[in-house]
Amino acid sequence: DIQMTQSPSSLSASVGDRVTITCQASQDISIYLNWYQQKPGKAPKLLIYEASKLESGVPSRFSGSGSGTDFTFTISSLQPADIATYYCQHYDNVPITFGQGTRLEIK
Amino acid sequence: QVHLVESGGGVVQPGTSLRLSCAASGFTFTSYAIHWVRQAPGKGLEWVAVIWYDGSNKYYADSVKGRFTISRDNSKNTVYLQMNSLRAEDTAVYYCARDNLAAAVSNFDYWGQGTLVTVSS
Repeated sequence: DIQMTQSPSSLSASVGDRVTITCQASQDISIYLNWYQQKPGKAPKLLIYEASKLESGVPSRFSGSGSGTDFTFTISSLQPADIATYYCQHYDNVPITFGQGTRLEIK
Repeated sequence: QVHLVESGGGVVQPGTSLRLSCAASGFTFTSYAIHWVRQAPGKGLEWVAVIWYDGSNKYYADSVKGRFTISRDNSKNTVYLQMNSLRAEDTAVYYCARDNLAAAVSNFDYWGQGTLVTVSS
């Protein structure tokens, strides 16, 4: 099974900061990588698919990059509404696996 | 618009069974694969199973293989998760999610609100 290692596990930043989360796959997954946002008590929401494509309706301050084994998720200017936990997920094959999540807080 | 509504959760004893349902609306149900994903209290997301648009292929996480069965009734726009031999570690919120593709895995573009399953004696 492919393991997804996400870091950091938690992050505290100020409004307006640039925030970066990384995700490393245990083997080459090309661009088969998605990013989700989950707010407390809510279902996850797709933000980025195929490593770098912005889901329709998602603000442009969110972006993703990477291929192979190393991926990055960035919020260019943190907003209060961005407080959530973020997960990467590969879909190179089954079983699909998620990263352990990054909990983002406002400083 | 797209809606996925899970039901069937509850409190059950270890070793017993439960069937979850995921009722879909607002899209052409027969054009999409459907997944189950779970989240234990305070923990991360764990993929459970997927079924192709026509039910022809089903895949499971190792943690549920042989105990859980995913199925779908395209005449009712509903996907099911039959859970047998339940264990305490199966306690979680169970979400159904639509895959963007019909017969492959890609991204989960729509999710239900989840249903809580608690396995406890």
